[in-house]
Amino acid sequence: DVKVTQSSRYLVKRTGEKVFLECVQDMDHENMFWYRQDPGLGLRLIYFSYDVKMKEKGDIPEGYSVSREKKERFSLILESASTNQTSMYLCASSPGLAEAYEQYFGPGTRLTVT
Amino acid sequence: AQSVTQLGSHVSVSEGALVLLRCNYSSSVPPYLFWYVQYPNQGLQLLLKYTTGATLVKGINGFEAEFKKSETSFHLTKPSAHMSDAAEYFCAVTPGGYNKLIFGAGTRLAVHP
Repeated sequence: DVKVTQSSRYLVKRTGEKVFLECVQDMDHENMFWYRQDPGLGLRLIYFSYDVKMKEKGDIPEGYSVSREKKERFSLILESASTNQTSMYLCASSPGLAEAYEQYFGPGTRLTVT
Repeated sequence: AQSVTQLGSHVSVSEGALVLLRCNYSSSVPPYLFWYVQYPNQGLQLLLKYTTGATLVKGINGFEAEFKKSETSFHLTKPSAHMSDAAEYFCAVTPGGYNKLIFGAGTRLAVHP
């Protein structure tokens, strides 16, 4: 089975802190994604990566950056956390770029910024 | 631009009753359509997907969905609800040529005895 793991299930940070969310997949997938999930809004794509060191902005990249130094690991970085970044963050991976591929999701990190 | 609309943010059914969760999409190209389920405190899990071919798609846990191009719909059904079906359900579409999912807002399904 594909396994996508996220470094923390729950995280509490202060406004202005630099925050790192880590995601690791064990199936040699090409693509990795970061979403945020908010009630009533579904999931919105922040960034995705289709190869090591490659990244593309999603629909809501402002206030976030990403890093993919190794194929299995994709990090989401909040340079200076703000209260409006309090949310559930979900990482996903998929085998390739073709639109028919399903995405496999991690369990999520619930981030609270105070 | 592609979009997904899920009618009803909350649906409540009795155990054993029909489950119907509605999804409409807009897409300028033939869509690939997905239903995902999220159980409490978990990530999303694929229920089923439509790519090409047969328009009635069967998924896990007894769910199925029918792609109706003329109605731009991809509604999810299950003949008989179980308590374990209580979860949040998301419909999603991929715009042509790219593995990026666009999600609906989600429908929370409650199943009561």
